This record gives sequence, C-alpha cells and structure tokens, in this order.
Amino acid sequence: QVQLQESGPGLVKPSQTLSLTCTVSGGSISTSDYYWTWIRQSPGQGLEWIGYIYFSGNTFYNPSLESRVTISIDTSKNQFSLKLTSVTAADTAMYYCATFRRITYRWFFDPWGQGTPVTVSS
Amino acid sequence: EIILTQSPATLSVSPGERATLSCRASQGVNSHLAWYQQKVGQAPRLLIYGAFNRATGIPARFTGSGSGTEFTLTISSLQSEDFAVYYCQQYDNWPLTFGGGTKVETK
Repeated sequence: QVQLQESGPGLVKPSQTLSLTCTVSGGSISTSDYYWTWIRQSPGQGLEWIGYIYFSGNTFYNPSLESRVTISIDTSKNQFSLKLTSVTAADTAMYYCATFRRITYRWFFDPWGQGTPVTVSS
Repeated sequence: EIILTQSPATLSVSPGERATLSCRASQGVNSHLAWYQQKVGQAPRLLIYGAFNRATGIPARFTGSGSGTEFTLTISSLQSEDFAVYYCQQYDNWPLTFGGGTKVETK
C-alpha cells in the first residue's frame, strides 16, 4: 500500500500563499486507482475536503475554496502539491494528503499522511 | 452541500461496554458513507466504508449500519485502544463532507 508524507512551511503570513507537497512512496502516482487528495482539519471547521487530482491532471475542488486552490501533480517526482492563495487565520489547520479510492463502487479516504500543521500569522 | 450531524458529541463509556454512535445526513446518501477513527496526534484511520463494510484489519467489534439519512457505528465491547474520536463522511454528493465527530471517552 502506498504511503504519503506531507511537507512544507509551518508558518505562512496573512495574504500570502500556502504551499504544501505530498510525497508518495510504495507505489506510482501515475496509477489510475487513486485520486490524490488534500484534506484539512481545524478546531473550528472540523475535517474539510479541499480537493483532488487524478494522474491525468484532472482536478476537482471544494466550491468553498475553489477560487483560491490549485492542486498539481509531478509524476517525475511522485508528488502532488497544494497551493492556497490569500490565506487568513481561518486557514490555520492541520493539512493532510490522502488517497481517495474505491472497492467496487464504495469510496473512501485511505491511506492518509501523518499531516502537517500550518499556522497563518504575521 | 450535505451536512452530517453526529451525536452525541461526547460519549462516556466504560471498557467492555457497548458504544453506539449516530450520524444523520441532511439528505439521503444511499449507503455512501464511511467511518473513521482518530486518536490524538494521529491522522484519521478508515474503519468502515459503504456504510457497513469493515476495512482491512478492523476488528469485528466495529459494526456499521444504516442507509439513506440515518447511520450507526456500534462498538460492541470497548477496548482501551478504542477511546478516540469517530467521524462519518459521505461520498454521495459533492463536495465530500465529514461529520463533526463523536468523542468516545472513558467513563
């Protein structure tokens, strides 16, 4: 089974861009089996699905964040990335990468990375 | 957006007792629901998918049931390692959403 590891700055200033990377090991990111996903968790908002990218480059975002989010994929590095622009304190959260996959037609998030905390503060 | 409401927010249970957790959807999601367990300092872990299918390695004491708008996660006999926060998540409609969680704590 694949393993995921998030990386990126733990502190971002308000109005700047949050950038995180998820490195995939134990399998190829170019597989058709998974949708590569970002999820965040904050005390105020709970768990929130941010969006996903498929190996083909197709993306789908949560409408609540769509205007500020970009998820990209780098198959040569077996990584996918998250960019969130114009951040505010409300974007302070633990950010997880995960796979969205299915068994028959039953979908779920599994596995997850360990998460990386991001604080938005000046 | 489908809202998932979990109850109770906190459940106090003694080891060995049965725990029953509820997840209610604001509109029907068929059986398109998963359950996750999250321990302090860890990422969520998949327990149940498709409303009642246990994930690989999940003990039989975890049972998921329900369809439509009402779902239940039952832990038949709580073990010490089961004290955690549990979340439901729907994949019937976009955006994918999670419930607010139920914390299962020691009584």
